Amino acid sequence: QVQLQESGPGLVKPSETLSLTCIVSGYSISSGYFWGWIRQPPGKGLEWIGSIYLSGSTYYNPSLKSRVTISVDTSKNHISLKLNSVTAADTAVYFCARAQFGQVYDAFDIWGQGTMVTVSS
Amino acid sequence: SYVLTQPPSVSVAPGQTARISCGGNNIGGKSVHWYQQKPGQAPVLVVYDDSDRPSGIPERFSGSNSGNTATLTISRVEAGDEADYYCQVWDSTSDHLVVFGGGTKLTVL
Repeated sequence: QVQLQESGPGLVKPSETLSLTCIVSGYSISSGYFWGWIRQPPGKGLEWIGSIYLSGSTYYNPSLKSRVTISVDTSKNHISLKLNSVTAADTAVYFCARAQFGQVYDAFDIWGQGTMVTVSS
Repeated sequence: SYVLTQPPSVSVAPGQTARISCGGNNIGGKSVHWYQQKPGQAPVLVVYDDSDRPSGIPERFSGSNSGNTATLTISRVEAGDEADYYCQVWDSTSDHLVVFGGGTKLTVL
């Protein structure tokens, strides 16, 4: 059974870099699939951040592209998210998710529980 | 960028049918996915590729997509269906790529 677990600091200072990890269990990311990061500000809707494939091929939300880096570490079986120059507007629950059939355009069928990140001094 | 428009709220009595719309320019030409999200929980995929259901999702959940509107239909609504619902598409015609609708709060009266 594939499971995803996000982890990282719950509090980040403005202008600093938000760094999160999504640990994948029950499946080797070396086998493929696209993996995505999605966030949800308190009381608001879902916003796609970006997606990555095993090969390192990435797609990013244009509104965040200049600040986002998503990477994959097959040795640790995890996907990472870095968002720099954060502001209060980046306060959100951050989810990682798997693309259902392995393609970037597929639905996200498996989600982590999410991790809340607050940007505040 | 591509925009998906959902009504903010839909209300329905138990046992009735709920229909949640998702509007977008020629959305009928795209594959639409639907997610259910309950408070404090991660989204759950309930319909993918317009009208397919993942295993474990009741047959009461169905989807359709044509023209400029996709619809999620929930038949015989139960109290446990009360949640936020989001539609999502992959838009290869713009650079925004993965797009979510704004979400619809389903209230079971």
